[in-house]
Amino acid sequence: DIQLTQSPSFLSASVGDRVTITCRASQGISSYLVWFQQKPGKAPKLLIYAASTLQSGVPSRFSGSGSGTEFTLTISSLQPEDFATYYCQQVNSYAFTFGPGTKVDIK
Amino acid sequence: EVQLVESGGGLVQPGGSLRLSCAASGFTFSSYEMTWVRQAPGKGLEWVSYISSSGRTIYYADSVKGRFTISRDNAKNSLYLQMNSLRAEDTAVYYCTRDQILTGYDLFDYWGQGTLVTVSS
Repeated sequence: DIQLTQSPSFLSASVGDRVTITCRASQGISSYLVWFQQKPGKAPKLLIYAASTLQSGVPSRFSGSGSGTEFTLTISSLQPEDFATYYCQQVNSYAFTFGPGTKVDIK
Repeated sequence: EVQLVESGGGLVQPGGSLRLSCAASGFTFSSYEMTWVRQAPGKGLEWVSYISSSGRTIYYADSVKGRFTISRDNAKNSLYLQMNSLRAEDTAVYYCTRDQILTGYDLFDYWGQGTLVTVSS
């Protein structure tokens, strides 16, 4: 199975900050990467698919980039509703593994 | 409006069985692939199983292979997960998700609210 790592696992930031989360795959997955946001007690919400395509309805302050083995999720200006845990997921081959998550907390 | 509603979770003893259901509405269920994802308390997400729209293609995570069985009834707009030989490490919230494929890319665009399975004596 393809393994994913995320860094950092935790970050503390302020409203208005630019935030970048990295996801690395154990082998090349082209652009078959998805990003989710999850808030406590809620189901994950799809943010980005195909590594860089913004899901309908997701604010444009979210962006994704990368291909192969290294990917990034960027929030250009952190808003209060963005404090959550973010997961990457590879959809290149089954099993569709998830990264361990990055928790974004309020500084 | 797309809705996915899971049911069937609860407390079960180690070695026991449980059958989860997911009722789908608001879209043509028979046209979509479906997936189960779980999340242990305080932990990350784990992909569990996939089933194609026709039900003919199925995949499982190694952690559940041989113990869990995914199935669907397109006439009833329902997805199922039969879980046997349950272990403490299967304790989790189980989500059903719709697997949309756009320009060749899978994306899980709708999720249910989840159902909690607790395996404990």
